Amino acid sequence: AQSVTQLGSHVSVSEGALVLLRCNYSSSVPPYLFWYVQYPNQGLQLLLKYTSAATLVKGINGFEAEFKKSETSFHLTKPSAHMSDAAEYFCAVSGTGFQKLVFGTGTRLLVSP
Amino acid sequence: DAGVIQSPRHEVTEMGQEVTLRCKPISGHNSLFWYRQTMMRGLELLIYFNNNVPIDDSGMPEDRFSAKMPNASFSTLKIQPSEPRDSAVYFCASSWDNSEAFFGQGTRLTVV
Repeated sequence: AQSVTQLGSHVSVSEGALVLLRCNYSSSVPPYLFWYVQYPNQGLQLLLKYTSAATLVKGINGFEAEFKKSETSFHLTKPSAHMSDAAEYFCAVSGTGFQKLVFGTGTRLLVSP
Repeated sequence: DAGVIQSPRHEVTEMGQEVTLRCKPISGHNSLFWYRQTMMRGLELLIYFNNNVPIDDSGMPEDRFSAKMPNASFSTLKIQPSEPRDSAVYFCASSWDNSEAFFGQGTRLTVV
């Protein structure tokens, strides 16, 4: 079985500051890991995914995440926050690719000027 | 392509009524997923289809929920009878084999 835990339902940063959104996973098989972003009244958009290739994964909009097996973590980072990054971010895990994603509870990112 | 299209975007219905949510996947995609998003439970996978065949419906909450995919370009999620606790945002997503799933904008269901 797979599960993810996202630490912090809300994260606030200033524009230009580092963004760090935390995700820890549990999986009985080698995991596939994902980060999705949801803007208000929109569906989810894939930011990036880890599928057992490089442990540092780069995604869209300047985001990246590092898979750390020893820590069972897949934290999302961005060096410099932009106002347009304000949204809800979901970490997800699967043991079988994209077919059955288990999502975390989400972290709302607030960016202040 | 217009992306995954869901209808209606908003639905308000009275308890006990039948509700049908609709989804048109991206043309050429062969997998379709129905998710439900609530404050209490977050995003949950209800059911997914591959090549129009239901593969896993273990997330369907109870018999009041049913989903169909009569062809590659259309799927429905039906709730009968509806209850207030079914109020949520329902998302449909589609993908080609084991590639990225693209989500629709969702249907916000309110059962009063």
